[in-house]
Amino acid sequence: AQSVSQHNHHVILSEAASLELGCNYSYGGTVNLFWYVQYPGQHLQLLLKYFSGDPLVKGIKGFEAEFIKSKFSFNLRKPSVQWSDTAEYFCAVNARAGGGNKLTFGTGTQLKVEL
Amino acid sequence: ETGVTQSPTHLIKTRGQQVTLRCSSQSGHNTVSWYQQALGQGPQFIFQYYREEENGRGNFPPRFSGLQFPNYSSELNVNALELDDSALYLCASSSEILAEGAHPAFFGPGTRLTVL
Repeated sequence: AQSVSQHNHHVILSEAASLELGCNYSYGGTVNLFWYVQYPGQHLQLLLKYFSGDPLVKGIKGFEAEFIKSKFSFNLRKPSVQWSDTAEYFCAVNARAGGGNKLTFGTGTQLKVEL
Repeated sequence: ETGVTQSPTHLIKTRGQQVTLRCSSQSGHNTVSWYQQALGQGPQFIFQYYREEENGRGNFPPRFSGLQFPNYSSELNVNALELDDSALYLCASSSEILAEGAHPAFFGPGTRLTVL
């Protein structure tokens, strides 16, 4: 069974600071990888996804993530955060073979961006 | 804003009761998954329906059951409610399941269930 670890539970940054949120997964096979964001009072939204190809993927709102297979990692980055990025961020994986559309989520990282 | 809708928004039940939650998929999506998100946790997979049949189940007891209808809408039923069932229940829809894996899931706003 796959599992996902997000090491930072709470992150506080000032506007314009750079962001990196860690995500490691545990699974022996091929996976699809996702980052979802949940803004206050809103539903989960897809930020970006990795299925195959270029391990550096770009998502919405200036976010990007890099898949490093040897490290089982899929860290989320943004060069300069904005106050509106305040939200909870979830990393999720899906097992490529036989996983259907089941997503395994990490516990989430609460990001607060201060003005 | 996705096309996935859920009802009701909030629900309060007492221990031992039964509850039915509803979900309408995004147009063109024939796969529905249900997740339970407890406070401070990430969503946990309950089960998935594809073309009206259960297609994958997480680590939840049989008192969690579901249905998918021909129009791809879905229900989640929970019998004999327990206090620990208090959570946000999320529905997610996606398009065809392919052998190589998932299409992104689009989530609804959730139903907040409180069990007293």
